[in-house]
Amino acid sequence: AQTVTQSQPEMSVQEAETVTLSCTYDTSESDYYLFWYKQPPSRQMILVIRQEAYKQQNATENRFSVNFQKAAKSFSLKISDSQLGDAAMYFCAYEAGANSKLTFGKGITLSVRP
Amino acid sequence: NAGVTQTPKFQVLKTGQSMTLQCAQDMNHEYMSWYRQDPGMGLRLIHYSVGAGITDQGEVPNGYNVSRSTTEDFPLRLLSAAPSQTSVYFCASSYTGLAGSTDTQYFGPGTRLTVL
Repeated sequence: AQTVTQSQPEMSVQEAETVTLSCTYDTSESDYYLFWYKQPPSRQMILVIRQEAYKQQNATENRFSVNFQKAAKSFSLKISDSQLGDAAMYFCAYEAGANSKLTFGKGITLSVRP
Repeated sequence: NAGVTQTPKFQVLKTGQSMTLQCAQDMNHEYMSWYRQDPGMGLRLIHYSVGAGITDQGEVPNGYNVSRSTTEDFPLRLLSAAPSQTSVYFCASSYTGLAGSTDTQYFGPGTRLTVL
């Protein structure tokens, strides 16, 4: 069974600084997808970034980028120029195969200090 | 497009009561799923559907029933609510590509359920 591990329950970053959120996963599949979702206090699940395992290039979306290390099964999220609106819970998720189902990590709460 | 909608937003039940959480999407997505979110547990898959008339169990299906009579709707039924079912419930949908793998899943706003 696939597992997703987010070992840090909480992190804090100063506004305008850079922070990296860690995620590791375990799978025997060769083709899969990885995601970071943001959940602000509104509870809405918002897709931040998506990475296809077959792509060697790391995905980027504006201030958000990932460091995807397939051999190490690591998928970290880097947030540059942190903003107060980035404060939220962040979930790492994995999806593989047909009829795909998301497997989530336990999440990390990110706070941003003004 | 309204995207994925869920009703109600909040619900309080007594142990043993039944209810249905509604989920609808207007994006013509084939794949729909239900997750529950509990503190410190992330989101866990309850049931999912790959198209009208087809459903299957996820990681935590006990105590929940689903059916998929139309592409748009995927209701989740609690037949006899228990305090352990107190949680936030999310519905999600995505397009199933020709290769079988699903596109990005889009989530509804969630339903907070409390069972006393």
